[in-house]
Amino acid sequence: DVKVTQSSRYLVKRTGEKVFLECVQDMDHENMFWYRQDPGLGLRLIYFSYDVKMKEKGDIPEGYSVSREKKERFSLILESASTNQTSMYLCASSPWDSLSEKLFFGSGTQLSVL
Amino acid sequence: AQKVTQAQTEISVVEKEDVTLDCVYETRDTTYYLFWYKQPPSGELVFLIRRNSFDEQNEISGRYSWNFQKSTSSFNFTITASQVVDSAVYFCALTSGGYQKVTFGIGTKLQVIP
Repeated sequence: DVKVTQSSRYLVKRTGEKVFLECVQDMDHENMFWYRQDPGLGLRLIYFSYDVKMKEKGDIPEGYSVSREKKERFSLILESASTNQTSMYLCASSPWDSLSEKLFFGSGTQLSVL
Repeated sequence: AQKVTQAQTEISVVEKEDVTLDCVYETRDTTYYLFWYKQPPSGELVFLIRRNSFDEQNEISGRYSWNFQKSTSSFNFTITASQVVDSAVYFCALTSGGYQKVTFGIGTKLQVIP
């Protein structure tokens, strides 16, 4: 069964901390995505990657960076966490660039920044 | 630019009632795909269905059915004889244009009351 695994289900951090959210997929997918989910706003794309070391900004990249050193792993980095980054973060993956491909999601990381 | 509108933020129905979740989309591309995903309380979004812009056939899968109408830019989802297990947040999504940039609606939270 295909699987996208996010390292933490719940995370609590302090303002100003550097935060790493990790995502691993076991499906050999080229594409990986980071979304954040907020009530009333749905899912918003932060960054995506279509290959190792490649990345593209999504709709809300400010305050975030990403790293993809290996095909199976896509990390989201909050350089200096702020309270407005408290949110549910969802990682997803899909096979090589095709509009028709469905996304496979992880279970999400609920991040609280205090 | 592409956009997905789910006007119903929350719906409550009594078990065994039918319920329709609305989805209206906007895109300038002639080739696009529409999706529905289900997010149960566990958090992981699960793919339900995919439709391409050239296929307006409606689809039925058990108690689920989907009505795609290009004339009204709508892709509505109906659950017949709802069950408590249908309680979840349902997202409509659209892909078009370059790369696999998926645009999600804000989601409709469905509560099925026993």
